[in-house]
Amino acid sequence: DAMVIQNPRYQVTQFGKPVTLSCSQTLNHNVMYWYQQKSSQAPKLLFHYYDKDFNNEADTPDNFQSRRPNTSFCFLDIRSPGLGDAAMYLCATSRGDRGYYNEQFFGPGTRLTVL
Amino acid sequence: TQLLEQSPQFLSIQEGENLTVYCNSSSVFSSLQWYRQEPGEGPVLLVTVVTGGEVKKLKRLTFQFGDARKDSSLHITAAQPGDTGLYLCARGRSSGSARQLTFGSGTQLTVLP
Repeated sequence: DAMVIQNPRYQVTQFGKPVTLSCSQTLNHNVMYWYQQKSSQAPKLLFHYYDKDFNNEADTPDNFQSRRPNTSFCFLDIRSPGLGDAAMYLCATSRGDRGYYNEQFFGPGTRLTVL
Repeated sequence: TQLLEQSPQFLSIQEGENLTVYCNSSSVFSSLQWYRQEPGEGPVLLVTVVTGGEVKKLKRLTFQFGDARKDSSLHITAAQPGDTGLYLCARGRSSGSARQLTFGSGTQLTVLP
């Protein structure tokens, strides 16, 4: 089945130690998104790629970076995780076609713990 | 403003009860999506509503889009524990990239057996 896959599902890191989360998709969608979600809150968009075009949200801290080496893969790099960065990180995809309703398909998420 | 307000924020009910969740905005939107997120998982798209007054049904879930396309509701009949989760409405942004969604604040539903 076509899907969005995130690895690992659970990640523990130390304060200040860089961490990378990965996402892959078999939907061949143009757009890939990274969201941060804290308990019982709505997902907060960090950035998205339309093909290779990177789009950062204005309030995304510089501590968060992303890479998309090809259509299928996208990575979230947290350069110096702080305690406040502990959260669920969600990857999503969409077709991105003009006139389309931008329905998004989410992965299962990576739960990040910062010690 | 493009804010989406959802109510109630938290809802805890017994199995078999009915419930309605609301999503409201002060501005018109061309379409609206509803997602459900089960604990420890990513959101899953339930439905997209497009036409004012539209009603869509998905088993025990009924989705309605307001006539003026400023509000939407989700009604669950005879709720079951498997309906437990975070319900999110979302709309496309009207400024910037149309590829982004604005999510509502969410309704955390707990259905007790």
